[in-house]
Amino acid sequence: QQPVQSPQAVILREGEDAVINCSSSKALYSVHWYRQKHGEAPVFLMILLKGGEQKGHEKISASFNEKKQQSSLYLTASQLSYSGTYFCGTERSGGSNYKLTFGKGTLLTVNP
Amino acid sequence: DADVTQTPRNRITKTGKRIMLECSQTKGHDRMYWYRQDPGLGLRLIYYSFDVKDINKGEISDGYSVSRQAQAKFSLSLESAIPNQTALYFCATSDYGTGKAGYTFGSGTRLTVV
Repeated sequence: QQPVQSPQAVILREGEDAVINCSSSKALYSVHWYRQKHGEAPVFLMILLKGGEQKGHEKISASFNEKKQQSSLYLTASQLSYSGTYFCGTERSGGSNYKLTFGKGTLLTVNP
Repeated sequence: DADVTQTPRNRITKTGKRIMLECSQTKGHDRMYWYRQDPGLGLRLIYYSFDVKDINKGEISDGYSVSRQAQAKFSLSLESAIPNQTALYFCATSDYGTGKAGYTFGSGTRLTVV
């Protein structure tokens, strides 16, 4: 069952902030975040493991609330290069089957 | 050279034809995956393999088969292509052992079935 991402799309001006959410109805072991630019392959951003940690990558960070089975991706002071489609990928708890189920994606557009 | 190479990059085929998409990797990862991407649907798992002798169906395996010829090679076949298999196909690898690594995706194969 695919995790649910919200919003489906967001438009920002350069320098603005955005939050992308990912929620699952299943108990999760890990959540991944990827960014895909048009016509390219998805690129790994970060992984959050069970334990409710928060991680950062440049001005992009994420959190994972394992009790709620939710993760959020935070983009601060957005840059034009942040434009693309963001996907969360979830791994169900149990952990030995390392395969990800991806959400439908959130299209982020950053304008000058 | 790319870490994960998919061939062909683009392919147009006719309904009913058998077609094979190939994936090879130089990362030394044991785990390999095939996903298809359709607009608005995200990435959906077709098959995955944790080693040469381990092949598993994903959520949308009907109409597809795979072969893991070696640790570095994982091929996807469409036995009898149909138009709704028109999609962008991605191969991915992972090294789960570190607990910190994500997937590495190939550049994709855009398949059109007419």
